Amino acid sequence: GDSVTQMEGPVTLSEEAFLTINCTYTATGYPSLFWYVQYPGEGLQLLLKATKADDKGSNKGFEATYRKETTSFHLEKGSVQVSDSAVYFCALSDNNTDKLIFGTGTRLQVFP
Amino acid sequence: EAGVTQFPSHSVIEKGQTVTLRCDPISGHDNLYWYRRVMGKEIKFLLHFVKESKQDESGMPNNRFLAERTGGTYSTLKVQPAELEDSGVYFCASSQPGTYTDTQYFGPGTRLTVL
Repeated sequence: GDSVTQMEGPVTLSEEAFLTINCTYTATGYPSLFWYVQYPGEGLQLLLKATKADDKGSNKGFEATYRKETTSFHLEKGSVQVSDSAVYFCALSDNNTDKLIFGTGTRLQVFP
Repeated sequence: EAGVTQFPSHSVIEKGQTVTLRCDPISGHDNLYWYRRVMGKEIKFLLHFVKESKQDESGMPNNRFLAERTGGTYSTLKVQPAELEDSGVYFCASSQPGTYTDTQYFGPGTRLTVL
Protein backbone atom coordinates (compact mmCIF):
# COMPACT_ATOMS: atom_id res chain seq x y z
CA GLY A 1 0.00 0.00 0.00
CA ASP A 2 0.87 3.65 -0.05
CA SER A 3 3.45 4.83 2.45
CA VAL A 4 5.63 7.78 3.47
CA THR A 5 9.16 7.61 4.83
CA GLN A 6 10.83 10.61 6.42
CA MET A 7 14.12 11.05 8.15
CA GLU A 8 14.28 10.32 11.84
CA GLY A 9 14.98 13.10 14.22
CA PRO A 10 15.65 14.97 16.18
CA VAL A 11 17.28 17.43 13.85
CA THR A 12 19.24 19.97 15.86
CA LEU A 13 20.35 23.22 14.22
CA SER A 14 21.64 26.62 15.17
CA GLU A 15 19.59 29.66 14.24
CA GLU A 16 20.07 30.77 10.61
CA ALA A 17 21.27 27.32 9.51
CA PHE A 18 19.94 25.62 6.38
CA LEU A 19 17.30 22.97 6.91
CA THR A 20 16.50 19.86 4.90
CA ILE A 21 14.07 17.18 6.06
CA ASN A 22 13.92 14.30 3.63
CA CYS A 23 10.64 12.67 2.64
CA THR A 24 10.05 9.91 0.12
CA TYR A 25 6.83 8.18 -0.76
CA THR A 26 5.40 5.06 -2.34
CA ALA A 27 2.05 5.39 -4.02
CA THR A 28 -0.05 4.10 -6.86
CA GLY A 29 -1.47 6.83 -9.01
CA TYR A 30 -0.69 10.50 -8.48
CA PRO A 31 -1.19 11.58 -4.87
CA SER A 32 -1.09 15.09 -3.51
CA LEU A 33 1.77 15.73 -1.08
CA PHE A 34 1.74 17.73 2.13
CA TRP A 35 3.90 18.96 4.96
CA TYR A 36 2.13 19.49 8.28
CA VAL A 37 3.73 21.07 11.35
CA GLN A 38 2.91 20.63 15.02
CA TYR A 39 4.24 23.36 17.30
CA PRO A 40 4.58 22.57 21.01
CA GLY A 41 1.19 22.35 22.67
CA GLU A 42 -0.73 22.89 19.45
CA GLY A 43 -2.48 20.84 16.80
CA LEU A 44 -1.39 19.97 13.29
CA GLN A 45 -1.22 22.84 10.84
CA LEU A 46 -0.86 22.57 7.10
CA LEU A 47 2.50 24.09 6.17
CA LEU A 48 2.48 23.58 2.40
CA LYS A 49 1.24 21.24 -0.29
CA ALA A 50 1.78 20.25 -3.92
CA THR A 51 -0.76 18.53 -6.09
CA LYS A 52 1.19 17.41 -9.15
CA ALA A 53 4.69 16.63 -10.36
CA ASP A 54 7.16 19.55 -10.39
CA ASP A 55 4.82 21.71 -8.30
CA LYS A 56 6.58 23.66 -5.56
CA GLY A 57 4.75 24.36 -2.33
CA SER A 58 5.96 27.23 -0.20
CA ASN A 59 5.00 28.99 3.01
CA LYS A 60 6.77 30.89 5.80
CA GLY A 61 10.12 30.49 4.04
CA PHE A 62 9.72 26.72 3.72
CA GLU A 63 9.69 25.03 0.31
CA ALA A 64 9.19 21.53 -1.05
CA THR A 65 9.09 20.33 -4.66
CA TYR A 66 7.05 17.34 -5.84
CA ARG A 67 9.62 15.11 -7.56
CA LYS A 68 7.91 12.23 -9.32
CA GLU A 69 11.12 10.76 -10.74
CA THR A 70 12.62 10.33 -7.27
CA THR A 71 9.27 10.02 -5.42
CA SER A 72 10.39 12.70 -3.00
CA PHE A 73 9.06 15.83 -1.35
CA HIS A 74 11.95 17.16 0.74
CA LEU A 75 11.30 20.14 3.01
CA GLU A 76 13.83 22.98 2.93
CA LYS A 77 14.34 26.35 4.56
CA GLY A 78 17.28 28.61 3.97
CA SER A 79 17.56 30.11 7.45
CA VAL A 80 15.75 28.57 10.40
CA GLN A 81 14.60 30.43 13.49
CA VAL A 82 14.10 29.29 17.06
CA SER A 83 10.37 29.63 16.46
CA ASP A 84 10.55 26.89 13.79
CA SER A 85 11.17 24.30 16.51
CA ALA A 86 8.35 21.79 16.05
CA VAL A 87 7.53 18.34 14.71
CA TYR A 88 7.18 18.16 10.93
CA PHE A 89 5.07 15.50 9.23
CA CYS A 90 5.20 14.57 5.56
CA ALA A 91 1.96 13.13 4.17
CA LEU A 92 0.24 12.05 0.98
CA SER A 93 -3.41 11.84 0.14
CA ASP A 94 -4.99 8.69 -1.14
CA ASN A 95 -6.87 9.91 -4.19
CA ASN A 96 -9.45 7.15 -3.93
CA THR A 97 -10.47 7.83 -0.36
CA ASP A 98 -9.03 11.26 0.56
CA LYS A 99 -7.40 9.87 3.70
CA LEU A 100 -3.95 11.17 4.57
CA ILE A 101 -1.02 8.81 5.02
CA PHE A 102 1.67 10.25 7.27
CA GLY A 103 5.31 9.67 7.94
CA THR A 104 6.55 9.23 11.49
CA GLY A 105 7.37 12.91 11.98
CA THR A 106 10.70 14.67 12.42
CA ARG A 107 11.37 16.81 15.46
CA LEU A 108 13.33 19.98 14.69
CA GLN A 109 15.12 21.80 17.48
CA VAL A 110 16.64 25.18 16.71
CA PHE A 111 18.97 26.78 19.23
CA PRO A 112 19.96 30.47 19.36
CA GLU B 1 -14.05 31.43 11.65
CA ALA B 2 -13.60 28.89 14.42
CA GLY B 3 -11.28 25.99 13.72
CA VAL B 4 -11.72 22.34 14.52
CA THR B 5 -12.17 21.83 18.24
CA GLN B 6 -11.75 18.69 20.28
CA PHE B 7 -12.77 17.79 23.80
CA PRO B 8 -11.29 16.88 26.17
CA SER B 9 -7.70 17.93 25.59
CA HIS B 10 -6.48 15.23 27.94
CA SER B 11 -8.07 12.12 29.40
CA VAL B 12 -6.58 9.65 31.84
CA ILE B 13 -8.58 6.48 32.45
CA GLU B 14 -8.00 3.00 33.75
CA LYS B 15 -7.98 -0.10 31.61
CA GLY B 16 -11.51 -1.37 31.11
CA GLN B 17 -13.17 2.01 31.42
CA THR B 18 -15.03 3.85 28.69
CA VAL B 19 -14.00 7.16 27.17
CA THR B 20 -15.78 9.35 24.65
CA LEU B 21 -13.92 11.91 22.59
CA ARG B 22 -15.69 14.71 20.81
CA CYS B 23 -14.84 16.65 17.68
CA ASP B 24 -16.53 19.77 16.33
CA PRO B 25 -15.51 20.38 12.73
CA ILE B 26 -15.34 23.72 10.98
CA SER B 27 -18.87 24.87 10.26
CA GLY B 28 -20.05 23.73 6.85
CA HIS B 29 -17.43 21.04 6.41
CA ASP B 30 -19.08 17.82 5.31
CA ASN B 31 -15.92 15.71 5.56
CA LEU B 32 -14.75 14.67 9.01
CA TYR B 33 -11.79 12.42 9.72
CA TRP B 34 -10.36 10.73 12.80
CA TYR B 35 -6.67 9.90 13.10
CA ARG B 36 -4.46 8.80 15.97
CA ARG B 37 -0.77 8.83 16.83
CA VAL B 38 0.40 6.08 19.13
CA MET B 39 3.72 6.10 21.01
CA GLY B 40 5.40 8.71 18.80
CA LYS B 41 4.80 6.69 15.66
CA GLU B 42 3.14 7.85 12.47
CA ILE B 43 -0.29 9.41 12.51
CA LYS B 44 -2.73 6.77 11.28
CA PHE B 45 -6.14 7.17 9.69
CA LEU B 46 -9.09 5.73 11.56
CA LEU B 47 -12.20 6.71 9.62
CA HIS B 48 -13.89 9.25 7.38
CA PHE B 49 -17.42 10.64 7.55
CA VAL B 50 -19.22 12.43 4.77
CA LYS B 51 -21.98 14.23 6.60
CA GLU B 52 -23.46 11.55 8.85
CA SER B 53 -22.37 8.57 6.72
CA LYS B 54 -19.22 6.52 7.25
CA GLN B 55 -17.35 6.74 3.96
CA ASP B 56 -14.32 4.72 5.01
CA GLU B 57 -13.74 3.01 8.33
CA SER B 58 -10.88 0.80 7.23
CA GLY B 59 -8.53 2.19 9.88
CA MET B 60 -10.65 1.38 12.92
CA PRO B 61 -8.52 -1.04 14.94
CA ASN B 62 -11.28 -3.23 16.37
CA ASN B 63 -14.88 -3.26 17.55
CA ARG B 64 -14.02 -1.54 20.83
CA PHE B 65 -14.03 1.70 18.85
CA LEU B 66 -17.32 3.29 17.84
CA ALA B 67 -17.61 6.54 15.93
CA GLU B 68 -20.79 8.47 15.33
CA ARG B 69 -21.77 11.68 13.65
CA THR B 70 -25.45 12.17 14.25
CA GLY B 71 -26.93 14.99 12.20
CA GLY B 72 -23.72 15.44 10.28
CA THR B 73 -22.27 18.03 12.66
CA TYR B 74 -20.05 17.03 15.57
CA SER B 75 -18.63 13.54 15.94
CA THR B 76 -17.85 11.31 18.89
CA LEU B 77 -15.37 8.48 19.16
CA LYS B 78 -16.04 6.04 21.97
CA VAL B 79 -13.55 3.48 23.21
CA GLN B 80 -15.16 0.72 25.26
CA PRO B 81 -13.49 -0.96 27.05
CA ALA B 82 -10.20 0.89 26.82
CA GLU B 83 -6.95 -1.08 26.67
CA LEU B 84 -3.38 0.04 27.37
CA GLU B 85 -2.48 0.08 23.66
CA ASP B 86 -5.21 2.66 23.00
CA SER B 87 -3.07 5.37 24.61
CA GLY B 88 -2.07 8.08 22.19
CA VAL B 89 -3.18 11.33 20.66
CA TYR B 90 -6.46 11.30 18.73
CA PHE B 91 -6.80 13.94 16.05
CA CYS B 92 -9.89 15.07 14.23
CA ALA B 93 -9.84 16.89 10.89
CA SER B 94 -12.43 18.37 8.58
CA SER B 95 -12.54 19.55 4.99
CA GLN B 96 -14.85 20.97 2.38
CA PRO B 97 -16.06 18.51 -0.24
CA GLY B 98 -14.88 19.16 -3.74
CA THR B 99 -11.77 18.09 -5.57
CA TYR B 100 -9.41 15.44 -4.27
CA THR B 101 -7.02 18.14 -3.13
CA ASP B 102 -9.27 19.22 -0.27
CA THR B 103 -7.16 20.57 2.56
CA GLN B 104 -7.82 18.86 5.87
CA TYR B 105 -7.83 21.16 8.88
CA PHE B 106 -6.84 19.50 12.12
CA GLY B 107 -7.90 20.02 15.68
CA PRO B 108 -5.45 20.19 18.60
CA GLY B 109 -5.98 16.53 19.48
CA THR B 110 -7.03 14.64 22.57
CA ARG B 111 -4.27 12.95 24.52
CA LEU B 112 -5.61 9.67 25.90
CA THR B 113 -3.71 7.80 28.58
CA VAL B 114 -4.92 4.36 29.63
CA LEU B 115 -3.40 3.11 32.89
